[in-house]
Amino acid sequence: DQQVKQNSPSLSVQEGRISILNCDYTNSMFDYFLWYKKYPAEGPTFLISISSIKDKNEDGRFTVFLNKSAKHLSLHIVPSQPGDSAVYFCAASASNFGNEKLTFGTGTRLTIIP
Amino acid sequence: DAMVIQNPRYQVTQFGKPVTLSCSQTLNHNVMYWYQQKSSQAPKLLFHYYDKDFNNEADTPDNFQSRRPNTSFCFLDIRSPGLGDAAMYLCATSGDRDLNQPQHFGDGTRLSIL
Repeated sequence: DQQVKQNSPSLSVQEGRISILNCDYTNSMFDYFLWYKKYPAEGPTFLISISSIKDKNEDGRFTVFLNKSAKHLSLHIVPSQPGDSAVYFCAASASNFGNEKLTFGTGTRLTIIP
Repeated sequence: DAMVIQNPRYQVTQFGKPVTLSCSQTLNHNVMYWYQQKSSQAPKLLFHYYDKDFNNEADTPDNFQSRRPNTSFCFLDIRSPGLGDAAMYLCATSGDRDLNQPQHFGDGTRLSIL
């Protein structure tokens, strides 16, 4: 049973426009969420996170929004750049497990079109 | 640069022949993780070490074992690889169980079974 779902396997966005990547979760115990970015032949790298006590966290061009009632989060990238082309993984954790147990989604491949 | 290094990057083994994958880190992190990722699927946690304390996931097959002889190194042993064990194996580290310390991943070892 997939507890973290990324329903769009791929997304193409024009350079300079906004990229919106979506993630849904089913486990109401999840209270900490992370986004990882993965280039081909490299491991995932941490991008941004959000705790359930917030509904928004911003870091430069990257903003994560959390809607707890809908069990939905999204990653916004503005403006999108060619270097943003990668696979993006959403991950979730429950604080009573600390950082040990990250449950990942299947990823969304983002392609930025020059 | 401090990092997580996985060797080898590609490993081919025969059905049933034991294989060991290696991970080393220069981050001096307490926690080391092993994930299995099959094509188009989410990374799946197999087990992790908090210092010398081994934590196995309930659904990790007995065929998978791990060793952590010191802080810097962690090994994944597959005792009798089956065709279903062909996957990317990702090692990750984190400073502690604190949710504010995201996991740092190596570039992975792709395992093929003949």
